[in-house]
Amino acid sequence: QTVVTQEPSFSVSPGGTVTLTCGLTSGSVSTSYNPSWYQQTPGQAPRSLIYSTNTRSSGVPDRFSGSILGNKAALTITGAQADDESDYYCVLYLGSGIYVFGTGTKVTVL
Amino acid sequence: QVQLVQSGAEVKKPGASVKVSCKASGYRLTNYHIHWVRQAPGQGLEWMGIVTPSSGATSYAQNFRGRVTMTRDTSTTTIYMELYSLTSEDTAVYYCASEYSGTCYFDSWGQGTLVTVAS
Repeated sequence: QTVVTQEPSFSVSPGGTVTLTCGLTSGSVSTSYNPSWYQQTPGQAPRSLIYSTNTRSSGVPDRFSGSILGNKAALTITGAQADDESDYYCVLYLGSGIYVFGTGTKVTVL
Repeated sequence: QVQLVQSGAEVKKPGASVKVSCKASGYRLTNYHIHWVRQAPGQGLEWMGIVTPSSGATSYAQNFRGRVTMTRDTSTTTIYMELYSLTSEDTAVYYCASEYSGTCYFDSWGQGTLVTVAS
């Protein structure tokens, strides 16, 4: 079974930069996996941030960016703000209509 | 974007089944897929499966095959997810989410439905 790994947690200072990653326990993540990223605050439904590796969803601030770094998908927050404190999840498309979520990263801004 | 409104919270006993609905509005569903995702208390998100409303075609995550059915009613643009043989581990918030065909991401989400399994 495919496992998608993310860092459990990150702490970033206001105005700072943080890069979250999304990897496979076996193999490399490439654009063919169509990585996407979601933000979730407690008690709320997730919100789409990035799709197709690096395309921002409508209304998403440009301080959020997506990329491939080495063998992983990455989400970078540049100039973090207090309301960026959330859980972040990546999703990979495995083909044949099958998707998998990453384990999620809790980002603290302090 | 599609707007998705889900049915209300459910309480079920172990061994029972639950059927959650997701009503879509705002756009024709011809070019959309609908996904189901769940989140157990304090846990991460888990993809369950996908249904294509226009054709009824489905694809399920391995963990749920044989225990879930996703269907649609095109006349009411409502999508259903039915999960069988419930255990306490199925206690979770269940979300539906839309994907514009071929984009491979979840652009709009329902508000979530809490399903509690307890004796």
